[in-house]
Amino acid sequence: KQEVTQIPAALSVPEGENLVLNCSFTDSAIYNLQWFRQDPGKGLTSLLLIQSSQREQTSGRLNASLDKSSGRSTLYIAASQPGDSATYLCAVDLSGNTPLVFGKGTRLSVIA
Amino acid sequence: GAVVSQHPSRVICKSGTSVKIECRSLDFQATTMFWYRQFPKKSLMLMATSNEGSKATYEQGVEKDKFLINHASLTLSTLTVTSAHPEDSSFYICSARLPGQGEAFFGQGTRLTVV
Repeated sequence: KQEVTQIPAALSVPEGENLVLNCSFTDSAIYNLQWFRQDPGKGLTSLLLIQSSQREQTSGRLNASLDKSSGRSTLYIAASQPGDSATYLCAVDLSGNTPLVFGKGTRLSVIA
Repeated sequence: GAVVSQHPSRVICKSGTSVKIECRSLDFQATTMFWYRQFPKKSLMLMATSNEGSKATYEQGVEKDKFLINHASLTLSTLTVTSAHPEDSSFYICSARLPGQGEAFFGQGTRLTVV
């Protein structure tokens, strides 16, 4: 059974810092991996999708990497801003049309 | 990116009544949609997989007669909470997958409060 773990559970950093969120999964046979952001009381916003054949994806200040063989993904946020404060969720997809398996998330606070 | 719209965003109902939540994929067709429930400060819990034109697949422990799912078209799935009780109060979120690459998009969520 696929399990997804996110470390740390919570993180507080001063504005301007670069930071890394970690995600690990137990079964390397994934179809893709997706990073989401969730603000309190809101739905999930898709940040980055990495297909199983890809190593990384970038969008603005965000960069996500994928190492399937070791079962790891990282989300790198450059020059953090208070508006980045949210919960970040990592999810793996096993086949393309099955439910995603989520980690418990990392709650990020960026202090001005 | 693709858009999934969920309605209503917030609803308060009395115990014993039923509440319907709609989930629409606005710019793509989704043969499958997913319904999740989220408790405060917790991650998402999958409730069921909604299949267009056929019965939904429910996760273990989720009562299919209480949480009725209908996926009548390729762009609309509904979740009806029947005979609602205060313990059904929660945040419900739907999701649809983009055909092909499989990117998942989520609705805005529905905050249900049963009084």
